[in-house]
Amino acid sequence: EVQLVESGGGLVQPGRSLKLSCVASGFTFSNYGMNWIRQAPGKGLEWVAYISSGSSYIYYAETVKGRFTISRDNAKNTLYLQMTSLRSEDTALYYCARSYGYKSDFDYWGQGVMVTVSS
Amino acid sequence: DIQMTQSPPSLSASLGDKVTITCQASQNINKYIAWYQQKPGKAPRLLIRYTSTLESGTPSRFSGSGSGRDYSFSISNVESEDIASYYCLQYVNLPFTFGSGTKLEIK
Repeated sequence: EVQLVESGGGLVQPGRSLKLSCVASGFTFSNYGMNWIRQAPGKGLEWVAYISSGSSYIYYAETVKGRFTISRDNAKNTLYLQMTSLRSEDTALYYCARSYGYKSDFDYWGQGVMVTVSS
Repeated sequence: DIQMTQSPPSLSASLGDKVTITCQASQNINKYIAWYQQKPGKAPRLLIRYTSTLESGTPSRFSGSGSGRDYSFSISNVESEDIASYYCLQYVNLPFTFGSGTKLEIK
């Protein structure tokens, strides 16, 4: 069974940093691209970042470019999102989601981890 | 960026009705559209990929169609378990973009 489990969320002050993790199981992690997608409270879905299976290709939404860094450790079956210079508008439920490749839908999602940016 | 205009924002249907949601892309997306169901407090679930291919486990009462810029998603014989929000996603070009969502309620 495919499972994605996010962790690392919490309450953080504006301007500070936070690192999210997503542990994968039930599939060959190193064969798949991975994404972070977020959802502000009561709002819709926003794609945040993509990383290819071997980390060769990395893309970001303009809203987070230069502040967020996506990475992965295939030996640990783990995806990361390093978030710096956090703003109130980054407050959201962050999901990790699997995709087969670059031009692919997101077929499995984690349960999400909440990040709240507030003083 | 490709904008996905989804309508209607909300829908009220009776059990057994057929409902349709549309997404119009700001440019041709070559059928690279997926549809997701999100129930309250849950992660989105992929229902349909590449316009009309049902994901494993998706009931046959769900369907999708379209081409070019215009796409639709339908539920025939709406059931109570279909109460959820529905989102379209274009994945032909970065940044991947979602429609604004449609909330389905039962009358």
